[in-house]
Amino acid sequence: LAKTTQPVSMDSYEGQEVNITCSHNNIATNDYITWYQQFPSQGPRFIIQGYKTKVTNEVASLFIPADRKSSTLSLPRVSLSDTAVYYCLVGRGSGNTGKLIFGQGTTLQVKP
Amino acid sequence: GAVVSQHPSRVICKSGTSVKIECRSLDFQATTMFWYRQFPKQSLMLMATSNEGSKATYEQGVEKDKFLINHASLTLSTLTVTSAHPEDSSFYICSATGRTPGETQYFGPGTRLLVL
Repeated sequence: LAKTTQPVSMDSYEGQEVNITCSHNNIATNDYITWYQQFPSQGPRFIIQGYKTKVTNEVASLFIPADRKSSTLSLPRVSLSDTAVYYCLVGRGSGNTGKLIFGQGTTLQVKP
Repeated sequence: GAVVSQHPSRVICKSGTSVKIECRSLDFQATTMFWYRQFPKQSLMLMATSNEGSKATYEQGVEKDKFLINHASLTLSTLTVTSAHPEDSSFYICSATGRTPGETQYFGPGTRLLVL
C-alpha cells in the first residue's frame, strides 16, 4: 500500500482558501486518492476522491498532477467549522483489496 | 453519500466481559467492511478486513481470538471484544464499501468503549 506524507498541522483564518498537499510517491496504477475529514469522537467523513487531473465537488477541489505522486486538497473560504483533521489516503478503496491505511493526517486549525 | 451506522455509540463494561459492536450499511450492499481502532489524539489503525460470508483478515498484531468479527450479510458486520480489559478502551470505527473499483469507502460514526 502506498504511504502518504502530509503536513502535521496547518493554521488558517476564516474566509481564506486552504491547500493541503499530500505526497504519495509509491502510488500504484490502480490506486485512487481519497480525502477524509474527521472531527473529534466522530468517524471520518468522505470529502473527495480522484484518480487524475482535477476533481471538484460542492465542498472541495482535488488537484492531481500527471505523475500522480502528490495531490492537493483545496478548501475554498474556510470557516471555523472546518477545524478538523484531514486524511489523505491512497488505495483501491473498494472490495477486499481496498483497505486504507491512515497516516497521521493534517490538523487544520481555522482561526477567527 | 452512503450511510453507515454503528451501535451502540458508546458502551461501558466491566473487565472480563464481552462487548458486541454492530456496523450496518443502511442504503447499499457492503461486500467488504473494515474495522479500525483509534486511541486519543492518534490516527485510525486498521484492525481487520471483513468480507461477507467469509472469515475476516486481521492485521499483524491484532488478536483474532480477542476481536471476533462476523460479516453474516451484505449490510451487517459485528465486532465482539471478548474478555475486555481496560487497555481495550478505545474508539472503534467501521467502514464499508462495495466491490466496484474506486468505490468510496464510507465510515460509521464510531463506538466509544470504556472498560472499567
